[in-house]
Amino acid sequence: GEDVEQSLFLSVREGDSSVINCTYTDSSSTYLYWYKQEPGAGLQLLTYIFSNMDMKQDQRLTVLLNKKDKHLSLRIADTQTGDSAIYFCAETGNTGGFKTIFGAGTRLFVKA
Amino acid sequence: IAGITQAPTSQILAAGRRMTLRCTQDMRHNAMYWYRQDLGLGLRLIHYSNTAGTTGKGEVPDGYSVSRANTDDFPLTLASAVPSQTSVYFCASRDSGLGDRGGYTFGSGTRLTVV
Repeated sequence: GEDVEQSLFLSVREGDSSVINCTYTDSSSTYLYWYKQEPGAGLQLLTYIFSNMDMKQDQRLTVLLNKKDKHLSLRIADTQTGDSAIYFCAETGNTGGFKTIFGAGTRLFVKA
Repeated sequence: IAGITQAPTSQILAAGRRMTLRCTQDMRHNAMYWYRQDLGLGLRLIHYSNTAGTTGKGEVPDGYSVSRANTDDFPLTLASAVPSQTSVYFCASRDSGLGDRGGYTFGSGTRLTVV
């Protein structure tokens, strides 16, 4: 079946940029998403990108999509301690009918 | 505040017992989902419902059942709990009228421990 993969951990210093990477296998992906999960809470949609876009910027967040390599990244500029959380990559595609596949999540540690 | 309410927040359950996790949304979303979250495995879809009156099986449906009698409620039942069902359970919904760009709205989760 289709798969979404992410590294499990990332550690950065406060004020630096964070880049969280994700790869996926579904060539029919239409939308790709980044969700944020804070401790003890559910996932919260951060941003999404349509598959015909290469980049989307929203304040401190920049999403880059390389559809050829099936690679998605989330860049957080000027990372703050409040950005410490688990970040999930997800994609929705037409393979096997409508289905959203989530990665295992990347835990971001921000050091003061 | 519009969103998804899950209950209970946490539960310790004896193996073999029956348990229903409750999920209610007030956003009139058509589609609802149940996921379980396990360390290192991310989110796995248990069951889903595209609209009231219909349900479907996800990736890991065994041992679980759901019903969707109305738009707002989507309870998840464990008929006879086993320790491997120890997990954090998330209910989610989506406005299918937005297409795929809508993303999911998640509840705060139910932490279930089966002993």
